[in-house]
Amino acid sequence: GQQLNQSPQSMFIQEGEDVSMNCTSSSIFNTWLWYKQDPGEGPVLLIALYKAGELTSNGRLTAQFGITRKDSFLNISASIPSDVGIYFCAGHASNTGKLIFGQGTTLQVKP
Amino acid sequence: GAGVSQSPRYKVTKRGQDVALRCDPISGHVSLYWYRQALGQGPEFLTYFNYEAQQDKSGLPNDRFSAERPEGSISTLTIQRTEQRDSAMYRCASSLVGGRETQYFGPGTRLLVL
Repeated sequence: GQQLNQSPQSMFIQEGEDVSMNCTSSSIFNTWLWYKQDPGEGPVLLIALYKAGELTSNGRLTAQFGITRKDSFLNISASIPSDVGIYFCAGHASNTGKLIFGQGTTLQVKP
Repeated sequence: GAGVSQSPRYKVTKRGQDVALRCDPISGHVSLYWYRQALGQGPEFLTYFNYEAQQDKSGLPNDRFSAERPEGSISTLTIQRTEQRDSAMYRCASSLVGGRETQYFGPGTRLLVL
């Protein structure tokens, strides 16, 4: 089935550093979404992207929908300890609600 | 309720037993989704409903898995004759309408098959 390749798998950074993670697909996606999952909780939507080339910010988070519609990246600036968690990219390959998720990037921030 | 709720939060069962997992979506949400998440992986789509109609069940692994949403609100995911490989986190999500609307996830049910 369709898969999203997300990298890196994990990151261990110092507080204050910027973070970048990305997601690629072998097929075209209509939307790109970035979720964060905290321990014991379900994924929570951070940013949604709906058009190729779209660049969207949410506070310290910035994400872009790749021009080819086959990739997306998420940047976190000036990381803080509460950024710790697992970040997932996800996308809709069709106009149905079926979401395809990446494998996740585990972020750890050292104070 | 305020968010998506799922019960039980944890379920331990013996191989061969049937289990039923419940999802209570956000009130008024038309669409309901089931995902399965293995340790260290992202959620994997199983099936979804608009109202009481099952729209897509292409992600159900085999015929031991079934889901229903008879009144268009609460949904039940049933796994018959459980196997150890069924052990995972089962997550439910709901959205106001279908398509590309934001999906809100519940806390999940952790299933362990011994």
